[in-house]
Amino acid sequence: QIQLVQSGPELKKPGESVKISCKASGYTFTDYAMHWVKQAPGKGLKWMGWINTYTGKPTYADDFKGRFVFSLEASASTANLQISNLKNEDTATYFCARREYYGYYYFDYWGQGVMVTVSS
Amino acid sequence: DTVLTQSPALAVSPGERVTISCRASESVSTGMHWYQQKPGQQPKLLIYGASNLESGVPARFSGSGSGTDFTLTIDPVEADDTATYFCQQSWNDPTFGGGTKLELK
Repeated sequence: QIQLVQSGPELKKPGESVKISCKASGYTFTDYAMHWVKQAPGKGLKWMGWINTYTGKPTYADDFKGRFVFSLEASASTANLQISNLKNEDTATYFCARREYYGYYYFDYWGQGVMVTVSS
Repeated sequence: DTVLTQSPALAVSPGERVTISCRASESVSTGMHWYQQKPGQQPKLLIYGASNLESGVPARFSGSGSGTDFTLTIDPVEADDTATYFCQQSWNDPTFGGGTKLELK
């Protein structure tokens, strides 16, 4: 069955960096783009951008340009999100989500989420 | 960005019919999708393309609408449906509604 399994929770200090992984299984990794979504505590969902799993090209939403990097370990069917120079407002759960297409793009499978806490 | 507006909360009794609305700030055609999120869990796809039921989702869930006004209907509501429901558009860069928290009386 299709699964996206993300890495474990992270506790970081402001200014540090974090790398989150999302390992896909049950389908051909390079056939589907991978998107990233942020959810701050008690808040809604915010789209961060996506990575083309075939070419490795990332695309970032405006609010996530600069400190955020999407990357791949395609041989391991894994997508990564790295956040540098962490700020308190980066405290959130980060989800990876597989993009499907049927007339329109939508997210059919999601990882379980990674809680990142930034605190001094 | 296309802004999606949802009412923040609803309370219904089990067995009733509930409609959750989502209004877009501009037309998104039928590029609207609905997700269910329970506390501590990831979102789960319910409806894609405004009205298509995702495989494995109970037929109690249905979606309708086009353009700027969309509705997710649950009929009948069951206790397990307690959750927050998000709409998401993909006409342009994805955006999500603020979510509607559904509580059962």
